[in-house]
Order: sequence, then structure tokens, then C-alpha cells
Amino acid sequence: DAKTTQPPSMDCAEGRAANLPCNHSTISGNEYVYWYRQIHSQGPQYIIHGLKNNETNEMASLIITEDRKSSTLILPHATLRDTAVYYCIVGTTSGTYKYIFGTGTRLKVLA
Amino acid sequence: NAGVTQTPKFQVLKTGQSMTLQCAQDMNHEYMSWYRQDPGMGLRLIHYSVGAGITDQGEVPNGYNVSRSTTEDFPLRLLSAAPSQTSVYFCASSSRGQKTEAFFGQGTRLTVV
Repeated sequence: DAKTTQPPSMDCAEGRAANLPCNHSTISGNEYVYWYRQIHSQGPQYIIHGLKNNETNEMASLIITEDRKSSTLILPHATLRDTAVYYCIVGTTSGTYKYIFGTGTRLKVLA
Repeated sequence: NAGVTQTPKFQVLKTGQSMTLQCAQDMNHEYMSWYRQDPGMGLRLIHYSVGAGITDQGEVPNGYNVSRSTTEDFPLRLLSAAPSQTSVYFCASSSRGQKTEAFFGQGTRLTVV
């Protein structure tokens, strides 16, 4: 599976958009980009995933570059509850049992 | 619908003891996995199963055994606990298909002294 690179930490003001980048330059054509977050030491929570088109749901938006080598997770109006570690993972939909986690980005939302 | 349930939430073992971490899911998912997470690190895959009766090793399988006799349950056995196995353990389940994601349990925090 492809590996990803994320900045170790980011800060964001409450109410502002949080933009979390991820590089996945070796992604294969059938691999999706998944985003999860882990609040405190709870189990990771699914946020969103996509293949090549931009995706949006009630939690976030996912922007994938045309060459698919990088992506950005956007939390449109960050709240204190969004403080967490965010993981970007690439993999196939038939391989959701074998994620390769990096160390993620620790997002701190500031009041 | 409880999702993925892990028991116990906390456990302290002495070196050399054995124990089983329980994981159950009620979503009829084909796939189940065990991960461990050490301080400041991401999750690492221990073992996984793609269906009842089918298991395989992940990245860090040494010292652990698994079996999958039913779709719902996927227990993780520590054969002879070592201090290096002190960690937080997460179980996950997911299903086949295009619009799927993994669901994680709340973790078991294990300390081996």
C-alpha cells in the first residue's frame, strides 16, 4: 500500500477553516484516499474518502489534486471538538482491513 | 446497534501471563482487524480476518494469536505477555464494497508489568 506524508502538527482558530494536507505520491490507480481522526485516545473515527473527484459530507470536504499525488481535508468551521489527530490513509475499498497508519497531523483548534 | 465492542477496557498483566482481548461487532461485517498503538505513534496492524475461518498476519504479529470462528467475534490472544506488549489495542471491522469504511472499537489499554 502507498504511504502518506502529513505535517506533524497544525493550529487553527475556532470558527476558521482547517486545511490539512497529505502527500501520497505513490498512490495506485485503484487506491482511495481515506481520512480518519482520533480524539484523545479513542478509536479512530471515519471522516471521508474519495478516489479522484472532490467529496463533501456533513463533516468535511476532501480535495484531491488532478494527478492524485496529494489531497487536502477541509473542516469548514473548526470547533474545539475538532481538536484531534487526523490520519490520511490510502488503500483499496477491498482492503479496509489492512490500513497503514502514519503518525498523522495533530490539529489543535484554538479558542 | 452497538458497533464494535471491545472488552476489557483496561487490563494489567504480569510478565508471562496469557489473556484474551475480546472484540465483537454486530454489523455483519466480513472484515475484522486488530491494531496496536504505542505512545505518539499511529496504529500498527497485528492480525486480520477477511471472513469466518480465515485469518492472516499483519505488520506486527509476533506474540499474538487470533481465530475467527464466527462472523461476529475476533478474539486476540496474548500467549505469554511481555512488557513490550504494553499498548492500546484497537479492533476494527468493515465490509466489502465501494462505499465502505472501517469502524473501530474504543480500545483496550493493556499494561504488562
